[in-house]
Amino acid sequence: EPEVTQTPSHQVTQMGQEVILRCVPISNHLYFYWYRQILGQKVEFLVSFYNNEISEKSEIFDDQFSVERPDGSNFTLKIRSTKLEDSAMYFCASSAQAYGYTFGSGTRLTVV
Amino acid sequence: DQQVKQNSPSLSVQEGRISILNCDYTNSMFDYFLWYKKYPAEGPTFLISISSIKDKNEDGRFTVFLNKSAKHLSLHIVPSQPGDSAVYFCAASPIQGGSEKLVFGKGTKLTVNP
Repeated sequence: EPEVTQTPSHQVTQMGQEVILRCVPISNHLYFYWYRQILGQKVEFLVSFYNNEISEKSEIFDDQFSVERPDGSNFTLKIRSTKLEDSAMYFCASSAQAYGYTFGSGTRLTVV
Repeated sequence: DQQVKQNSPSLSVQEGRISILNCDYTNSMFDYFLWYKKYPAEGPTFLISISSIKDKNEDGRFTVFLNKSAKHLSLHIVPSQPGDSAVYFCAASPIQGGSEKLVFGKGTKLTVNP
């Protein structure tokens, strides 16, 4: 069964450092997303990406965040200068039209 | 701003019995609803969905009911099995499965006791 792959599974970084979270979506999907879940809280939408551009973003997705699809297979989320409150599980997802998303297993980001 | 609410943080049922997980929403623009199941250290897994043109959708042991006038949906699992123990998230979208974001509830942790 096709799956969304995320690497690394756990990333520890110092406050103020840049991190890049990587995702390989399902190959024939056209829509890509990042969500996050702070421990004990709900899963929150960050950004959606279609046709090589951001289609929607939340208020969480400020100037410190960026996304890229550099080579047609990877989909990355960059946080330029991490803050303690960025510590969360980050989930990548992809979808074809008219069906539920497929989520990856997530990257646990810990900012110390 | 909780547009999707799951008011029960946890639910415990006996194996073989019915599990009923509830979800309420406030945004009238939502017309596609999904349930996801999540195990620890894994991403949410799609379970079942329903469009607003329907009031019921069934898939094996899982049935989702939608009451548009009450802005309420529920997931029924029958019979419940220990392997169903997980966190269940209700999610809503303004269009059917396309590029729009999903708005999630906070989840209900289901425990099915053998």
